Amino acid sequence: GQQVMQIPQYQHVQEGEDFTTYCNSSTTLSNIQWYKQRPGGHPVFLIQLVKSGEVKKQKRLTFQFGEAKKNSSLHITATQTTDVGTYFCAGQRGAQKLVFGQGTRLTINP
Amino acid sequence: DGGITQSPKYLFRKEGQNVTLSCEQNLNHDAMYWYRQDPGQGLRLIYYSQIVNDFQKGDIAEGYSVSREKKESFPLTVTSAQKNPTAFYLCASSSTQSTNEKLFFGSGTQLSVL
Repeated sequence: GQQVMQIPQYQHVQEGEDFTTYCNSSTTLSNIQWYKQRPGGHPVFLIQLVKSGEVKKQKRLTFQFGEAKKNSSLHITATQTTDVGTYFCAGQRGAQKLVFGQGTRLTINP
Repeated sequence: DGGITQSPKYLFRKEGQNVTLSCEQNLNHDAMYWYRQDPGQGLRLIYYSQIVNDFQKGDIAEGYSVSREKKESFPLTVTSAQKNPTAFYLCASSSTQSTNEKLFFGSGTQLSVL
């Protein structure tokens, strides 16, 4: 079945440092979504990527979808304490259900 | 405010007991989902429903049951057959079950075994 692997599982950075999480699928995806879950909270939708090679930005966050539509990344520039949380990617293949990666938990030293 | 309401926030289950988790949405969404979240394992799909009176098993449906009698409601029952029920349970909805639909999540229910 379709699998979505996400690395790293944990990342600890100093405030102001950059952060990147990577998502890899065993199959070609039709789209990929990213969610953020704050500690003690629930996942909140961040963005969706659909096109091959697509790059989208939200302030300090940059999202990329690979040319082969099998991998994706989320990069945060100059992290702030408000960025703390777990970031999940979720891939979809055609009409199949979303498959979530294991998540990357980001902690920040102020 | 539109959204998804899950209750209770915390729930304790005794040995051999069935417990039911509530999920209500007022977003007028057709599709609803139940996910289980364990530390370090991401979200795993238990059941989903695309329309009233219809639902399908997800990846880890054993030991769980659901109903969808109303569009707004999708309760999850954790039965005594689920031997490892301790987890964070998340309900979600989307406007349809087609591709490219983002999920809206409730605030979750933490289930623990006494």
